[in-house]
Order: sequence, then C-alpha cells, then structure tokens
Amino acid sequence: EIVMTQSPATLSVSPGERATLSCRASQSVSSNVVWYQQKPGQAPRLLMYGASTRATGIPARFSGSGSGTEFTLTISSLQSEDFAVYYCQQYSNWPRTFGQGTKVEIK
Amino acid sequence: EVQLVESGGGLVQPGGSPRLSCAASGFTFSSYNMNWVRQAPGKGLEWVSYITTSSSTIYYADSVKGRFTISRDNAKNSLYLQMDSLRAEDTAVYYCAREMNYYDSSGSYWGYIDYWGQGALVTVSS
Repeated sequence: EIVMTQSPATLSVSPGERATLSCRASQSVSSNVVWYQQKPGQAPRLLMYGASTRATGIPARFSGSGSGTEFTLTISSLQSEDFAVYYCQQYSNWPRTFGQGTKVEIK
Repeated sequence: EVQLVESGGGLVQPGGSPRLSCAASGFTFSSYNMNWVRQAPGKGLEWVSYITTSSSTIYYADSVKGRFTISRDNAKNSLYLQMDSLRAEDTAVYYCAREMNYYDSSGSYWGYIDYWGQGALVTVSS
C-alpha cells in the first residue's frame, strides 16, 4: 500500500499570509493526487485533483503542484474560512490512501 | 445539486451487523462509481470500499475485507454498506462518496472522489 505522509502536522499562519502544505508518497503516484479541506463537523470538500487542477468553485488563492512522490498545496493569502484540516489522497493505486492531515490554525 | 444522504448509523454492539444506506440525488446515480470512506473520532480519513456502476468491480480495504459488503441499487439511486462482525475499532463516521472519472493527457482513465455525504456515525460499544 502507498503511504502518504503530510507535513507539517500543524501549521500556524496569520490571516493574509501564505501557507504551504506538503504531501509525500512512498512510491510514484504520477499526478493522481487530490486535496480535500475539512472543517469541524463537516464532510471533506474537494479542492484539487490531478495534483494541480482546482475543483469547481475553488478560489484561485488555492494552488497545487507536484508529480511523482512530492506534492504541495499552497494557499496564497489565508482567509478566515481557510482555517481547517487539509488531506491529500492518492488515487493511482488500490487501496486509495490518505495522508494523516495538516491542520492550518490561526497564529 | 448533488446530494448524498447516509442513514442507518447508531449504537451497535460488538459483533453486530448494521446496514448503512446512502440515498443519492441531483445526478445520474447509475453513471457513477461510488465509495465508502470512514473517519474515526478525532482521526483522519480511511477509504473503506468501492463499487463500479454495474457492480462488476468491487474493492475493500484490508481492515474490512470479509466483514463488510458494498452494494448498490441503481433503480433506487441507493448505495449500501452491510457491516458484519463489528469491532470497537470500526467506530467512525461513514461517508458515502461519489467518484468522478476522467481521461488524462496520455489517455489513462482515473477516478477521484468529488462529492461526499454528511456522514453517518456508527458507534460500536457494549
């Protein structure tokens, strides 16, 4: 099974600052990575698929990059509604596997 | 608007066998592969099971293989998860999730989860 490792576990950022979240796969997954945002008590929300394509309705301040084993989600200027937990997931191989999540909190 | 509504959760005794249901609306259910994903309290996401449109291909996580059974009824726009021999570690919110498929630039066919239901909490405890 492919292990997805996210770093850091917690990211403290001030509103308006940039946030950079990392995700590493234990073997190549090409560009078959998605990013989800989850707020307390809510279901995950799709942000990015194909590593770098924004899902419908996702603001341009969210961007994704990477391929192979290294992936990054960048939030260019954090808004109050962006404080949440972010998960990466690979869909290259079965079983689908998620990272353990990065919590973006207010500094 | 895509809607996925899970039901059938609740308090279950160890060894119990509840069945979760997911009612889909707002899209052509029979055209989409579907998944179940779970999240233990305070923990991360764990993919559980997958089923194709015609039920011809089914996958399970090793943690539930042999105990859980995924199925669907396209006439009723519904997805199901039969959960047998439940253990305390199966306690989680169970999400029904739609899969979006696409061809990449090389012509390869891939799928990822694009919509999630609000989840159904299953608590396994005596």
